[in-house]
Amino acid sequence: QKEVEQNSGPLSVPEGAIASLNCTYSDRGSQSFFWYRQYSGKSPELIMFIYSNGDKEDGRFTAQLNKASQYVYLLIRDSQPSDSATYLCAGAKNSGGYQKVTFGTGTKLQVIP
Amino acid sequence: EAQVTQNPRYLITVTGKKLTVTCSQNMNHEYMSWYRQDPGLGLRQIYYSMNVEVTDKGDVPEGYKVSRKEKRNFPLILESPSPNQTSLYFCASSFTFVRGGEGYTFGSGTRLTVV
Repeated sequence: QKEVEQNSGPLSVPEGAIASLNCTYSDRGSQSFFWYRQYSGKSPELIMFIYSNGDKEDGRFTAQLNKASQYVYLLIRDSQPSDSATYLCAGAKNSGGYQKVTFGTGTKLQVIP
Repeated sequence: EAQVTQNPRYLITVTGKKLTVTCSQNMNHEYMSWYRQDPGLGLRQIYYSMNVEVTDKGDVPEGYKVSRKEKRNFPLILESPSPNQTSLYFCASSFTFVRGGEGYTFGSGTRLTVV
């Protein structure tokens, strides 16, 4: 079982809709979670991080963490064509004094104009 | 501008010819890491460094070497490249991951092809 799992997609949503991306993790030792956006041929760019149960909002983005169920969500409101990218979920856990970060394989999002 | 700088951006080389990919950050970050990204496999960690002279293996270290003699630099060395090391490589750095911290800042990537 992979430590961080994501549906590869593609997830297609119409412009203006809410895009919901999810991620599950297997290691309960994971403490912090990150969502990165990666455009084709570009490097990953940090969108949000979350470490407490519940929701965290930043503009059109909301991250949700449920440690009991071991899932992390990213909601994108009012989706725009410029949001079309691959979204990477990552979890960090303490490993011998180092915060080891493990990435999922990413979900490709397509926002249809 | 705060950034992680990788060079070169593109590299085509032949099997067995030693090469170095450089990485430098100007944010005084303690953590640095190298990842490779392959279709369907995502980002996999090669090596990481917690500080100067402190490095350790990640998930796929075979065939790679690193060094951290200065805080800002973290070069990736392929002593004898093979075709299965053809990949997209990213260097990344971070100040901390405690309670989320800043997360990694990534370099622009190096696309390596070994023929």
